[in-house]
Amino acid sequence: AQKITQTQPGMFVQGKEAVTLDCTYDTSDQSYGLFWYKQPSSGEMIFLIYQGSYDEQNATEGRYSLNFQKARKSANLVISASQLGDSAMYFCAMRGGGYSTLTFGKGTMLLVSP
Amino acid sequence: GAGVSQSPSNKVTEKGKDVELRCDPISGHTALYWYRQSLGQGLEFLIYFQGNSAPDKSGLPSDRFSAERTGGSVSTLTIQRTQQEDSAVYLCASSLVTGQSSGYTFGSGTRLTVV
Repeated sequence: AQKITQTQPGMFVQGKEAVTLDCTYDTSDQSYGLFWYKQPSSGEMIFLIYQGSYDEQNATEGRYSLNFQKARKSANLVISASQLGDSAMYFCAMRGGGYSTLTFGKGTMLLVSP
Repeated sequence: GAGVSQSPSNKVTEKGKDVELRCDPISGHTALYWYRQSLGQGLEFLIYFQGNSAPDKSGLPSDRFSAERTGGSVSTLTIQRTQQEDSAVYLCASSLVTGQSSGYTFGSGTRLTVV
């Protein structure tokens, strides 16, 4: 079974600062993929970034980077230079090697102040 | 189409009535997924389609829930004899392949309220 844990129900950050959203996972698979999605108040889920378990480098996409620590089974999302538009719910998810579906965490609500 | 389309966007129904939720995936996407998101909760997996077959429907919460997909395209999620605990946002997603690195493209969801 796969499990995703996001321990921060809510986070508050000042605009232009960096923020880290925590995600830990549990799986017995050797090969798996980790994803982060953003859900603004409009409700649509927006894909942000992907990290494969065998990728040697941390994934980056613009202001988003994934701090992947395989031994600790953590896949934290780092948002640099936060903006008001980053205020949203953020979900960490994973897909194991033998599974076709994504397993999601409960999410972290991020609020960015001006 | 350009994105995943879900209809209706909002549905209010009386307890005990049946409802049908529709999902039109991105053209050519063979995999289709239904999730449910209750207020303040994460996404709960319901069912996964590959083509017209459903290799994983382990998340359907009861036999009141059913889903089908026709022509490898449109899918319908049906909830019979709705209950108040069925109130949630129902999200549909599709993907081109089911490989490990394939993320989903989500629709905007159907907000179901059972009164």
